Amino acid sequence: ETGVTQTPRHLVMGMTNKKSLKCEQHLGHNAMYWYKQSAKKPLELMFVYSLEERVENNSVPSRFSPECPNSSHLFLHLHTLQPEDSALYLCASSLGQGAYNEQFFGPGTRLTVL
Amino acid sequence: KNEVEQSPQNLTAQEGEFITINCSYSVGISALHWLQQHPGGGIVSLFMLSSGKKKHGRLIATINIQEKHSSLHITASHPRDSAVYICAPRGSQGNLIFGKGTKLSVKP
Repeated sequence: ETGVTQTPRHLVMGMTNKKSLKCEQHLGHNAMYWYKQSAKKPLELMFVYSLEERVENNSVPSRFSPECPNSSHLFLHLHTLQPEDSALYLCASSLGQGAYNEQFFGPGTRLTVL
Repeated sequence: KNEVEQSPQNLTAQEGEFITINCSYSVGISALHWLQQHPGGGIVSLFMLSSGKKKHGRLIATINIQEKHSSLHITASHPRDSAVYICAPRGSQGNLIFGKGTKLSVKP
């Protein structure tokens, strides 16, 4: 257990559905991250939030919409996804965003888009 | 060319063997992480290092900043060490840059 939880763990959705992924940490961390891991590819950073403000958006399509209502929670809202969006979505948190802050990862949500 | 190259990509070992996984990177870094990802997908941070060597149990990580190279060693390997090991140096803006990982399988 890393102290970062994600729900749901598995999600199957159609291309017209709207769903949300949830990430929660009670480690007192101020930075939270969304990563995408596609098959046979390295992890890709999607979004970074620091003190509830989005500080990085790595050219992610608008069909992915993050939300950080407070420092303990991070959401990823999904709508009109494509089959190529099927992947493992990982959330992480760290005390700060600086270079020497260790990131703690959640277990991931395995997403399948039909 | 990838910014982070890991070798080997796949590794099969017998229980008890000494294992080395290598990571070479081209980006300038302030720190480098070694991560472990189990088949279920969850990732655990093993080490964060910016110089020299760190040891935790049977795991040892070394880094040579000048040569832009890091190694992860596992002594007395065990089947429960079977996982994907990911090298992730930090880029100049502080974000992690991930390697593709080394898939390790330790046979009893």
